[in-house]
Amino acid sequence: EAGVAQSPRYKIIEKRQSVAFWCNPISGHATLYWYQQILGQGPKLLIQFQNNGVVDDSQLPKDRFSAERLKGVDSTLKIQPAKLEDSAVYLCASSLYYQETQYFGPGTRLLVL
Amino acid sequence: DQQVKQNSPSLSVQEGRISILNCDYTNSMFDYFLWYKKYPAEGPTFLISISSIKDKNEDGRFTVFLNKSAKHLSLHIVPSQPGDSAVYFCAASADNAGNMLTFGGGTRLMVKP
Repeated sequence: EAGVAQSPRYKIIEKRQSVAFWCNPISGHATLYWYQQILGQGPKLLIQFQNNGVVDDSQLPKDRFSAERLKGVDSTLKIQPAKLEDSAVYLCASSLYYQETQYFGPGTRLLVL
Repeated sequence: DQQVKQNSPSLSVQEGRISILNCDYTNSMFDYFLWYKKYPAEGPTFLISISSIKDKNEDGRFTVFLNKSAKHLSLHIVPSQPGDSAVYFCAASADNAGNMLTFGGGTRLMVKP
């Protein structure tokens, strides 16, 4: 069974630029999560989708971050404009259903200069 | 305000000995706890979980203990193997399942041959 796929794996941008990350969850998984992991910290949940609907986005900085999950499969996370403090690893996870075990992708490492 | 804390950033153990990783939480609404293991350049991988109705859960070499009155849980690995060297994250949820996770900052375990 293929795992959660993410791209790109690495991205370097300058502050005020925009960036987008892509996630392809495990086939058949209805729930998708985006996490931000700053160096030395644990992952922090940004947004959770159930199929193509948002379940929770209370920790998403909505003035600059946006996410969508069209057709309930792939998802994109966008940052516009990026700030220095957005430098982190962005992890995507999926689970079969709400409240099931989450499987994580390898993450996208973002560096904002 | 960190609701889940792992106070030891690193731990070094000899192969064959016991590894004990600790985690403290402050939110009394948390009722489900998980441990994830993370290798470099990979996403976290689910290891073991425990519900608040239990005080112990075992899976092979891994045992998680929960002390609700102390708001403390620990992961025991016996015997430790060099392949166990990784970063271990404690996570908690308030929905009696593995959803809406709050992670600790992680503990880096090094198992020496």
